[in-house]
Amino acid sequence: GAVVSQHPSWVICKSGTSVKIECRSLDFQATTMFWYRQFPKQSLMLMATSNEGSKATYEQGVEKDKFLINHASLTLSTLTVTSAHPEDSSFYICSAKGLAGVNEQYFGPGTRLTVT
Amino acid sequence: GNSVTQMEGPVTLSEEAFLTINCTYTATGYPSLFWYVQYPGEGLQLLLKATKADDKGSNKGFEATYRKETTSFHLEKGSVQVSDSAVYFCALSDRSDNYGQNFVFGPGTRLSVLP
Repeated sequence: GAVVSQHPSWVICKSGTSVKIECRSLDFQATTMFWYRQFPKQSLMLMATSNEGSKATYEQGVEKDKFLINHASLTLSTLTVTSAHPEDSSFYICSAKGLAGVNEQYFGPGTRLTVT
Repeated sequence: GNSVTQMEGPVTLSEEAFLTINCTYTATGYPSLFWYVQYPGEGLQLLLKATKADDKGSNKGFEATYRKETTSFHLEKGSVQVSDSAVYFCALSDRSDNYGQNFVFGPGTRLSVLP
């Protein structure tokens, strides 16, 4: 149980275009989803927290107009990188937390974004 | 604020060697502690966890004990295998409100096991 998927697993896009990454909880309802960014050989940095049906809460330094997060249902959250630039190239990982499993997050496999 | 410190890597061991990866934390309250493993090109997988002092988490031969007096959660394995080569992240979770939680990761320790 507690499986989280991400799509796509990797994507290459041209500078200036927008890319949408989906995060789905497959077998549970995720009241809260988290988006992380991981640079090569570094740890995960929390970008934002999204609760179903409400606006995402962004961490300090994360541009909310650039990284659009939507959590429209209890099983789906999306991260859209708008007007992508090469410096946005990174590994993006989502995680989900349901009503059960207090103090535990279930992580997706990650999406590798390369902006050329 | 909350923080997690891990021993710096990379750690290189021969197969069947004993592994210790140190992890210490700073937190207010009583956090839950986790070890996650990340294999090359993949996301994070929960390896083990402990939710209160003196709890021991164990999985796949790995174990770690929640030591409140030393604020530590060191990861150990008696005999590592080549397949254990990965990056290991120590993390804590401090539930701060009814919806979110303050989840903090350490910097990660890269382990390479040689045959």
